[in-house]
Formats: sequence, C-alpha cells, structure tokens
Amino acid sequence: AQSVAQPEDQVNVAEGNPLTVKCTYSVSGNPYLFWYVQYPNRGLQFLLKYITGDNLVKGSYGFEAEFNKSQTSFHLKKPSALVSDSALYFCAVRDGTGRRALTFGSGTRLQVQP
Amino acid sequence: DTAVSQTPKYLVTQMGNDKSIKCEQNLGHDTMYWYKQDSKKFLKIMFSYNNKELIINETVPNRFSPKSPDKAHLNLHINSLELGDSAVYFCASSRQGAGLNTEAFFGQGTRLTVV
Repeated sequence: AQSVAQPEDQVNVAEGNPLTVKCTYSVSGNPYLFWYVQYPNRGLQFLLKYITGDNLVKGSYGFEAEFNKSQTSFHLKKPSALVSDSALYFCAVRDGTGRRALTFGSGTRLQVQP
Repeated sequence: DTAVSQTPKYLVTQMGNDKSIKCEQNLGHDTMYWYKQDSKKFLKIMFSYNNKELIINETVPNRFSPKSPDKAHLNLHINSLELGDSAVYFCASSRQGAGLNTEAFFGQGTRLTVV
C-alpha cells in the first residue's frame, strides 16, 4: 500500500530565509508526487508535481521540490520565505497501479515569522 | 467560474439527522472524489467515481452514500449523523483519461458539525 510521511508537524522559518518541508513516500511502481497548500478555512491548492524527468520541479509561488529516488523523498523548498507562505502543506502520492485517489501525508504547518 | 464548488460551506445539525452535501465541477473532469479531513487535519479518501461509476470505496460506514447523477456532480448523503462525523469534507476532481500524472482540484470544503 502506498504511504506518505511528513515527519515535521511544524516548520518555523524567518522571512527571507530558505525553507524546506520534508516528505518521504512508499509506493509500488513509479511514484507520482504532488504538493498542495491549504490556507485557513480554504480548500487545497495544487503547488507542483513530479511525474518523470528532471528531479527538480518548479511550481507555483516560487516553490520547488526535489525528487530523490534513492531516498524516496520529495522535499518542498523555497529560496526565500514570505510571511504569506504561512499555511498547511500536504505531500501526496498516487501510485502507478491504477488507483486514482491521492494518498496524503499528515501535513506540515509552515510558520514564517516577520 | 469556480472550478469545484461544494454546498453548503457550513453545516450544523443534530445527531440522528440525515444531510447531504453537493459537489459540482465545471472542469470537464471524469473522476470525482470525496475526502474527509479530521480535526487533526489528516486527509483520507472516502469515495471515488469515474464516469459515474464507483471505483473506490474505502472503509466508510454504510450511513455514507455517494451519488453521481452525471460526470459533473458527486453528492454525499449521510444518514443518522453521529458526533464522530464532524469534520471537513472535501470534494475533488481530476482527469483520469490523461493518466496518473494529473493533479486533483479541490473544492473549498464543507465543515460539518454534529451536535
């Protein structure tokens, strides 16, 4: 069965500093990996995805993620954090066996301090 | 021009009642989902429909019944509501025909509170 782990419940970073939100996954077959962001009282917004090809994926709002097959990781990064980036971030995986639904991690709350 | 819309946004009801949440997507997607987000923000798939056909039915109580009248709609009916049903329910859709690499688009969520 596929699974996603986000080991940090919360990440705190100062505005202007780089940020990393960690994600590791477990799937059978090729992984299809996604990052979503959830602002308070809002739905999930798609940020970026990894399907194949370049291990560094660029997405919305200046976010990027690095796929590492040997470490089964897909960490979300941003070179310079903004206070407005403060939100709940979810990593998700869809395995290659035909199951269509995404399996989500437990979420990481990002707090960017001014 | 909301892509995935759910109604109502908030729902407060008493135990034992029956309620429905509606979802519509105008993206032309062929696959729709219901997810439940609990108080700890954990997201779990409940149901998935592809072209009006049920393809995923997780271990959800029989009191929950999805209904898909057409590809653009997936409604969730809940009978005999219990306190533990209180959560935020998200509808989502994606385009299956394009393969597994398509992202899902989510509605704003319905916050259900059972009192």
